[in-house]
Amino acid sequence: DTAVSQTPKYLVTQMGNDKSIKCEQNLGHDTMYWYKQDSKKFLKIMFSYNNKELIINETVPNRFSPKSPDKAHLNLHINSLELGDSAVYFCASSQFGHQPQHFGDGTRLSIL
Amino acid sequence: RKEVEQDPGPFNVPEGATVAFNCTYSNSASQSFFWYRQDCRKEPKLLMSVYSSGNEDGRFTAQLNRASQYISLLIRDSKLSDSATYLCVVNDGNQFYFGTGTSLTVIP
Repeated sequence: DTAVSQTPKYLVTQMGNDKSIKCEQNLGHDTMYWYKQDSKKFLKIMFSYNNKELIINETVPNRFSPKSPDKAHLNLHINSLELGDSAVYFCASSQFGHQPQHFGDGTRLSIL
Repeated sequence: RKEVEQDPGPFNVPEGATVAFNCTYSNSASQSFFWYRQDCRKEPKLLMSVYSSGNEDGRFTAQLNRASQYISLLIRDSKLSDSATYLCVVNDGNQFYFGTGTSLTVIP
C-alpha cells in the first residue's frame, strides 16, 4: 500500500490556469506538508498542517491555497499559474514532534 | 545564515571507497536529526535517523556532535547504487529544515 500518494504525477498546463494537486496519507500521521523543489533542487517548505490546522505558512504567494478536509488529506490549489511555478511539488507527512517525514512521489508541474 | 548547511559536492568516488559527508546546523535547540537520500527526479527517502550516541545501519554510520552542532554520514564500501543526493535534515520540534544536499557519484 502506498503510504503517501499524490495526484497527478505530471501536470502540464498553460499560464493563467487554475489547478489542484491532491495528497493522501494512510500512515495515521497528524501532520502534513507541501514542499516545492525547483530546478536548483532546493527543497522549500510551503505549508504545514497539524490535525487540519495550519501551523506553517512560509512566504508563498496567496495564489497558493492549501486545504485539509481531514488529517489524512492535504490538497494544494494554485490560481493563475505563472511560469515560475514550474517545479516538483512534494507532499509529506509525519507524526508531529521528532518523527521523520515520509514523502509522496511528487507532482511535476510544467507551465507552458 | 541558513538553518542547515551542507557541502554540495559533487563527490565522485570509485566503487569500494569510503566517503563521508558533514552537515552543520545553527539552532542549538534542534532535537532530531535525519539523513535522507534523493535519487534524480524522485522523492526524498529516509536513509536513517541520527541518534546522540551514533548509529550504524549496514555500510552506513551516522554521528551527531551536539557541542559542535554537526552531523555526519559515513558510507563504507561504496556501491554504484549509492549514487544519489544525500540530504541532511534537522527538526527543532516544530519544523523540519533541509540542507541543500550533497551529490554523490560512485564510479565503476
